[in-house]
Amino acid sequence: GENVEQHPSTLSVQEGDSAVIKCTYSDSASNYFPWYKQELGKGPQLIIDIRSNVGEKKDQRIAVTLNKTAKHFSLHITETQPEDSAVYFCAASINFNKFYFGSGTKLNVKP
Amino acid sequence: NAGVTQTPKFRVLKTGQSMTLLCAQDMNHEYMYWYRQDPGMGLRLIHYSVGEGTTAKGEVPDGYNVSRLKKQNFLLGLESAAPSQTSVYFCASRRLATQETQYFGPGTRLLVL
Repeated sequence: GENVEQHPSTLSVQEGDSAVIKCTYSDSASNYFPWYKQELGKGPQLIIDIRSNVGEKKDQRIAVTLNKTAKHFSLHITETQPEDSAVYFCAASINFNKFYFGSGTKLNVKP
Repeated sequence: NAGVTQTPKFRVLKTGQSMTLLCAQDMNHEYMYWYRQDPGMGLRLIHYSVGEGTTAKGEVPDGYNVSRLKKQNFLLGLESAAPSQTSVYFCASRRLATQETQYFGPGTRLLVL
């Protein structure tokens, strides 16, 4: 099956700085890559996603890039705010069937 | 519209006991999933269902059984709980017809002593 690796496991930034989280996947058939934010005591919530026919997608302060050749994708958060502090998960899916998750990144934004 | 709900929120079991976790969704979604979340390991798929009356195994199905008798409900059963099943369990659902991601429930924290 698909194997998704995520780095770093923890990330601490100063408010206003940028944060980057990287994921790699193993199955070249994967064609959908969502990112989730999980706040303490809650279930993951989708924040942005990208399909394999697109190289980059942006939504206000967050963006995702995809390199299909290298089989990696990244989450970029600019102008970080304390409310961005959470655990972020990447995932990969083939045709929206099963989803394979990375191990998570705990982001801490210091005021 | 409550989305995805899970019952119970927290449970303590003794080794060998059985229990059923209930997931309910009111969005008329076809797909439903059960995941477990362990520290440092992300979410791993236990079982999933593509429609009423159908189920399939995920990455870590051993020790669990599931049933989808009604479209809106997906049950996860532990017949004989083991300490290795201590985890946080998340249910998710999604629509079949459109290319949409999953919507997650709030989770059930299970402690097996």
